[in-house]
Amino acid sequence: SQQGEEDPQALSIQEGENATMNCSYKTSINNLQWYRQNSGRGLVHLILIRSNEREKHSGRLRVTLDTSKKSSSLLITASRAADTASYFCATPLWRGGGNKLTFGTGTQLKVEL
Amino acid sequence: GAVVSQHPSRVICKSGTSVKIECRSLDFQATTMFWYRQFPKQSLMLMATSNEGSKATYEQGVEKDKFLINHASLTLSTLTVTSAHPEDSSFYICSAWDRGNIYGYTFGSGTRLTVV
Repeated sequence: SQQGEEDPQALSIQEGENATMNCSYKTSINNLQWYRQNSGRGLVHLILIRSNEREKHSGRLRVTLDTSKKSSSLLITASRAADTASYFCATPLWRGGGNKLTFGTGTQLKVEL
Repeated sequence: GAVVSQHPSRVICKSGTSVKIECRSLDFQATTMFWYRQFPKQSLMLMATSNEGSKATYEQGVEKDKFLINHASLTLSTLTVTSAHPEDSSFYICSAWDRGNIYGYTFGSGTRLTVV
């Protein structure tokens, strides 16, 4: 089952615009991670935000975390065509057998020239 | 940085045959590895957790007799899809728990399985 849901499911913007993706999760977390996946490829780590952090920046990326609302957002500023990909939030979930990383439903971002 | 090598990257097999996918941690020891399946335009669904030297833990709804997982060493986990059917066609991705990685998890590059 999915730990998180993301919206929108798909987002199409013009190059230079900002893209915002939202993630909601169900259980308490230690951290939340964002990943990018180009079509048919593996996952690329983007940013990790810990439960005691509210905002984090990395280059053109800005992530926020609201643990009271169990939600996070990823903002990509000044988007480029190369940002076209699927973006997933993920949270480690402790269950018997290990600390499992579970993924949200994902947002497919298309940046058009 | 830490690397997880997944092989093969693509495989086509006939219905009824078995396919083995390997996941190796190249420069660290991975006591725990995870196997995911991803259908087109969907998210990654955790299939099972593989622990070195013990039986894998499968997620609800995943057939353990169909998806055989072996984690015989600290650097290698394998997923064997037995008696494959077209509905098993999917993208399979492994990840390894890596204490040295701030994210905790290092991912393989995935295997595209097509069953014809």
